[in-house]
Amino acid sequence: EIVLTQSPGTLSLSPGERATLSCRASQSVGSSYLAWYQQKPGQAPRLLIYGASSRATGIPDRFSGSGSGTDFTLTISRLEPEDFAVYCCQQYGSSPFTFGPGTKVDLK
Amino acid sequence: EVQLVESGGGLVQPGGSLRLSCAASGFTFSNYWMTWVRQAPGKGLEWVANIKRDAYEKYYVDSVKGRFTISRDNAKNSLYLQMSSLRAEDTAVYYCAAGGQYYVYWGQGTLVTVSS
Repeated sequence: EIVLTQSPGTLSLSPGERATLSCRASQSVGSSYLAWYQQKPGQAPRLLIYGASSRATGIPDRFSGSGSGTDFTLTISRLEPEDFAVYCCQQYGSSPFTFGPGTKVDLK
Repeated sequence: EVQLVESGGGLVQPGGSLRLSCAASGFTFSNYWMTWVRQAPGKGLEWVANIKRDAYEKYYVDSVKGRFTISRDNAKNSLYLQMSSLRAEDTAVYYCAAGGQYYVYWGQGTLVTVSS
């Protein structure tokens, strides 16, 4: 089973700042089979990025994903008030598909 | 508008059974693999099971194999999860999601609590 580790656990930033979130896999997820989700309290996750770098439909271009193999990054170029949430990565290159524990982006 | 609406959650004793349902609308259900994902209180997401478009392939996380059964009815645009021999560690919000690898649409979830 591929284990995903996310860092930092919590990121405290202000609106307008840049957020850089890391997701590291215990082994290669192959061909960039990595997705990112946003989850707010009491809500279902929302797909942001798939294929490591492709934005899902309707996702603003301030969200971008990069990386391959075992190291991946989600970048939010300029935080908007609605972006304060938990972000988790998910690999779908190897069954069972697994999720990372999440990074909480909160208001500084 | 895409909607996935789960139902069937509740409080059940250890060893008991529950059947979760997920009603889909606003997209072509039969074109999608469907998945159940769960989230224990205060914890991360965990993939539970998924089912191919035609229901001929089904996959489960090891911890639920032999206890949970995923199924679907494309005529009714519905997904199901039959859960038996429930354990305390199955306590979670259960989400249905559209997609077999990454999940494009999600329901709001239904809470399953396994406790005596």
